[in-house]
Amino acid sequence: GAGVSQSPSNKVTEKGKDVELRCDPISGHTALYWYRQSLGQGLEFLIYFQGNSAPDKSGLPSDRFSAERTGGSVSTLTIQRTQQEDSAVYLCASSLAQGGGQPQHFGDGTRLSIL
Amino acid sequence: DAKTTQPTSMDCAEGRAANLPCNHSTISGNEYVYWYRQIHSQGPQYIIHGLKNNETNEMASLIITEDRKSSTLILPHATLRDTAVYYCIVRVLSGNTPLVFGKGTRLSVIA
Repeated sequence: GAGVSQSPSNKVTEKGKDVELRCDPISGHTALYWYRQSLGQGLEFLIYFQGNSAPDKSGLPSDRFSAERTGGSVSTLTIQRTQQEDSAVYLCASSLAQGGGQPQHFGDGTRLSIL
Repeated sequence: DAKTTQPTSMDCAEGRAANLPCNHSTISGNEYVYWYRQIHSQGPQYIIHGLKNNETNEMASLIITEDRKSSTLILPHATLRDTAVYYCIVRVLSGNTPLVFGKGTRLSVIA
């Protein structure tokens, strides 16, 4: 079946602009996660949605970062007033909720470059 | 911080078994061991996970020591397409907590 889909696959923008990154999770997956991976670094957790519960925003690096999830499915990560240090690959993952410990399935990410 | 320790890099000859070690000496009784891999320019791919028993699927086998302080991921017949960074991750059993990635092991499969 279809996996996690992210768009755009690449985004180049100027410093100071706002950007929106989209994630379509696997159908039926109620848990959704955003991570980012800077050049040569490991993956860093950003935010986590579980069903209709309030999201876990503990990983967001600043108040310029926000995310929403509409209708329990598609999610959008927004970065306002982008800075050069925001350049990274932004990865989305989803998983089933029931049973706990369900593996996360990742998309191929959006490569964001801030000029 | 990641609760696991892995070698930075390993080489393996094509067709041979690749054995990737992971130390997780502070693992708790309610934590699973997960393995993911990341091929260049792709998102991480789930491989396998286990609690205390050895596990096998179509991709790999996971061997967990009796004291659960270390584990080994085994790719039985490595191919060039298995060249990737392999991440060993410890994660609590309950809920759906985010994954905490370390640096992983860069496996190079050589023809």
